[in-house]
Amino acid sequence: EIVLTQSPGTLSLSPGERATLSCRASQSVSSSYLVWYQQKPGQAPRLLTYGASNRATGIPDRFSGSGSGTDFSLTISRLEPEDFAVYYCHQYVSLPWTFGQGTKVAIK
Amino acid sequence: EVQLVESGGGLVQPGGSLRLSCAASGFIVSDNYMSWVRQAPGKGLEWVSVIYSGGSTYYTDSVKGRFTISRDNSKNTLFLQMNSLRVEDTAIYYCARVQTGPWGQGTLVTVSS
Repeated sequence: EIVLTQSPGTLSLSPGERATLSCRASQSVSSSYLVWYQQKPGQAPRLLTYGASNRATGIPDRFSGSGSGTDFSLTISRLEPEDFAVYYCHQYVSLPWTFGQGTKVAIK
Repeated sequence: EVQLVESGGGLVQPGGSLRLSCAASGFIVSDNYMSWVRQAPGKGLEWVSVIYSGGSTYYTDSVKGRFTISRDNSKNTLFLQMNSLRVEDTAIYYCARVQTGPWGQGTLVTVSS
């Protein structure tokens, strides 16, 4: 099983600041099968990026994904009030599919 | 509009059964990888099952032999048959189109006596 470890657990930042979230895999993951989700309280997860670096439809360009092999990251260039949420990485190249434990981006 | 709508959740006793449905619109279920993901109260996301476009199915170990994923192409609907339910199966269950989204709004399954 591929374990995805996200860091930090919580990121406390102010609106306008830059956020960098990390997702480290226990084995190499093809970037084509690594995605990032955003989840707000009481809502379903929303796809942000796929193929490690492609933005999903309707996702603002302040969100960007990068990485390869075992190290991936999600960057939010300038935090907007609506970006404070929990973020998950997810791999679907190797069964069982797995999610990271999540990073909460909180208002400082 | 591309959309998924789940139904079928509820309160069930341990050992009971439920069948979740996920009705799709705006795309064809059988052309896509379709997945079920669950989220226990206050916890993170856990992958449960997938059905590939070719029809192959896979499950996380904790539900193997108890849950069955299927689809009805004529109704463009995904299903999850859940038998021998346990307290630890309590969660919000989401269906999702894997590669591009969307996800459904989720349906709550509570297993309790």
